Amino acid sequence: ETGVTQTPRHLVMGMTNKKSLKCEQHLGHNAMYWYKQSAKKPLELMFVYSLEERVENNSVPSRFSPECPNSSHLFLHLHTLQPEDSALYLCASSQDMGGYPGNTIYFGEGSWLTVV
Amino acid sequence: AQSVTQLDSHVSVSEGTPVLLRCNYSSSYSPSLFWYVQHPNKGLQLLLKYTSAATLVKGINGFEAEFKKSETSFHLTKPSAHMSDAAEYFCVVSDGSSNTGKLIFGQGTTLQVKP
Repeated sequence: ETGVTQTPRHLVMGMTNKKSLKCEQHLGHNAMYWYKQSAKKPLELMFVYSLEERVENNSVPSRFSPECPNSSHLFLHLHTLQPEDSALYLCASSQDMGGYPGNTIYFGEGSWLTVV
Repeated sequence: AQSVTQLDSHVSVSEGTPVLLRCNYSSSYSPSLFWYVQHPNKGLQLLLKYTSAATLVKGINGFEAEFKKSETSFHLTKPSAHMSDAAEYFCVVSDGSSNTGKLIFGQGTTLQVKP
């Protein structure tokens, strides 16, 4: 148990559906992240939030829309996805942003998304 | 630019024998290095981390890694493999030049443990 909880764990959606992934952390962290893990590919950083403000968007298509209403919660809203968007979506958090020593990122167990 | 290379995509050992998972990194800054493990259908769990203190880092489940600056390596070892160690292992470097704490992931090494 890392303190980062993701729901749902599994989601199947059609290409015209709208759904959301939810992430919650109770670690008192100020930074939260969305990563995408596809088969045979390294993890891809999608979004970074710090103190509820988006600070990085790594060229992610607009059909993925993040929302961070407070420092404990992070959502990923999904709309008109493509089959190639099927992947494991991992939420993570850390005390702060920044690559300084000791700033460890903790991951949730992920949400498996299948787009049909 | 930072990068990380895991030298083996697949490692197979027998239960009770030593484990060695190799990782080399490239960094222009003093790096923070991590090993994460991912069991099937699970998220990533932190095994251990190097943050410029002791070069030999001990982690959970009997794993350890040694930071060797001269070799730019951060290999993961365990003296005796257990069946429960079968998983995917990721070597990760933190981009110290980035103010967003961006992690650079290796491609992963699948560890198979045979009875």
